[in-house]
This record gives sequence, structure tokens and C-alpha cells, in this order.
Amino acid sequence: NAGVTQTPKFRVLKTGQSMTLLCAQDMNHEYMYWYRQDPGMGLRLIHYSVGEGTTAKGEVPDGYNVSRLKKQNFLLGLESAAPSQTSVYFCASSYGVGRIAKNIQYFGAGTRLSVL
Amino acid sequence: GDSVTQMEGPVTLSEEAFLTINCTYTATGYPSLFWYVQYPGEGLQLLLKATKADDKGSNKGFEATYRKETTSFHLEKGSVQVSDSAVYFCALIDNYGQNFVFGPGTRLSVLP
Repeated sequence: NAGVTQTPKFRVLKTGQSMTLLCAQDMNHEYMYWYRQDPGMGLRLIHYSVGEGTTAKGEVPDGYNVSRLKKQNFLLGLESAAPSQTSVYFCASSYGVGRIAKNIQYFGAGTRLSVL
Repeated sequence: GDSVTQMEGPVTLSEEAFLTINCTYTATGYPSLFWYVQYPGEGLQLLLKATKADDKGSNKGFEATYRKETTSFHLEKGSVQVSDSAVYFCALIDNYGQNFVFGPGTRLSVLP
């Protein structure tokens, strides 16, 4: 049971380059999330999706785009990378049905991105 | 908006010491509360949760009680082990089940 899988695990970009981070989950979860983790700031929500074909902005969406064409996949895109986007990116998913136990989030192992 | 505050650490303890990591929250209504743990090089894993006032979550010797009167959810363990070294995140989810808010994380180091 793979759970939540993120690719790639590491990436180095030059300023202005673009890239896409892929998140895949095999738990049939409705909700998927992208976070960034920076020292001293915990996790901040970039974008999320409450179902296939839907996306919504989180706390820090600027400079990122997302797509959820298939229920099991959630893609995070950087069109023109900036040094401020150097961070560790985590994808998460949850059942999203109801408020209580089913909203436990399951996380991937993360993608460490450096923008030079 | 909703927020979570926790002691930032780092916290350094000797093996078998007692652990407390404080967490307080601000939220409207009745959020659910969580503690997540992140081991080096890994993603976050759910450690324990509580969904209503006075609930106690527990797992792997860790405990936390949902205190609505003090808006707190402090994490405790009676005797820590070296293997408990990790970063611990307090988090909440709001009434509507969509807005998930994390605290900044507390790094714990346990020395043998």
C-alpha cells in the first residue's frame, strides 16, 4: 500500500525555470492538498482540491498553479521559479467526508526544491 | 482566522524524562485537534487526535487532552526514548472540515 507518493524527491532549478511536482494517492481520497514547509513557519497551504476537476487557493497560492484532472493525482506547477520558492513541498490527502475522523490527512515524504 | 501556537523549541531531554509540548489554539466553533509527528526525512504522520472537549487522544505513550476552557491541547509523555526524536506539529481542522491549520512545529531531541 503506497499511500501518498511524491515525485521528484529533490530538484534544483534556476530562476525563471518551470517544473511540475506530482502527487499520487491510492486511497481513493476526495481531498488533496499542497503545502510548503519553511523553517520556523510550520506548514502553509498553497492550494487544495475537494474533488476531481476542482481546485481552490490556500494561504500562499501566488506563483503556483495546480490541476486535478484525475482523482488520484494532484499536480503543483511553478511557471517561473523564484528563489523565494526554495522550500520543502508536501502533498497530503484525506477522505474529506464529514468533519471528524475522516479528515485525517496522510502525507507524502516531501519534495525538496532549491531555486538558485 | 484560525491559528495554532506552540512552543518552538528545540527541546532537548534525556532518555526517560517527562515531556510536555504546549499547544494553544484560536478558532471559532468546535475544531478537531491533532498532533502530527515528522521523523527526519519523512512526511508528517498522525500521532493522535481529539474531536470534542475533554476528549483525550493517546498513542505510543503520548497523550493530549482537548481543553476548551483554556483552548489548549498539550502533548505529554511520561518517559521519552531516543526514537521519539522528531518534530511535533499541533494542528486543528475547523467546523467545516476544510481549513486545516498547523502550528510551527517543535523539534524534540532525546539524548541517551
